Amino acid sequence: DTAVSQTPKYLVTQMGNDKSIKCEQNLGHDTMYWYKQDSKKFLKIMFSYNNKELIINETVPNRFSPKSPDKAHLNLHINSLELGDSAVYFCASSQVGLGTEAFFGQGTRLTVV
Amino acid sequence: GQQVMQIPQYQHVQEGEDFTTYCNSSTTLSNIQWYKQRPGGHPVFLIQLVKSGEVKKQKRLTFQFGEAKKNSSLHITATQTTDVGTYFCAGTGAGSYQLTFGKGTKLSVIP
Repeated sequence: DTAVSQTPKYLVTQMGNDKSIKCEQNLGHDTMYWYKQDSKKFLKIMFSYNNKELIINETVPNRFSPKSPDKAHLNLHINSLELGDSAVYFCASSQVGLGTEAFFGQGTRLTVV
Repeated sequence: GQQVMQIPQYQHVQEGEDFTTYCNSSTTLSNIQWYKQRPGGHPVFLIQLVKSGEVKKQKRLTFQFGEAKKNSSLHITATQTTDVGTYFCAGTGAGSYQLTFGKGTKLSVIP
């Protein structure tokens, strides 16, 4: 049973399209994250939600909009995709207060053509 | 904002040699974590250090947290090909929810 699952695993799309990536965790964690990993493998935090509330919003273009319908889900919607959005996007979750070990999903490799 | 620097960015070693990666934070950390990402995989938690000066071992891996809680290191003794991957440190500042990752050290092991 996968702890943090995200779909799809691969996403190839054209510039200008709108796409969504879904993430679900079954660990009962309070906090969920989206990270972007570029071609140089740098892991950069984009958003963090705690109990469905946005607590971290790094300098990410407003074309990226996270949505947390409940604390087990954190989806990422991207409008007007650009070539520079191509990367691997990782969802993660942790339980703040009991140690902040993060569990990562398998990643979504987004390619914008 | 909090920054976590990690060096080196790349390290190539002969199988059997030792390997060390270093992590430095611009601010005092409440804890530091280490993750390993295999090629094509996702980051997987290895360990967390909380106390000043703490040292923890996992088989051939030794993790240290500095006295000032601003730096950390991961040392691998006698590397094996299974050690290949990118090692990330990640720190949490006091009172923060944010886990800030270093840029990672990509380890290649030559058989």
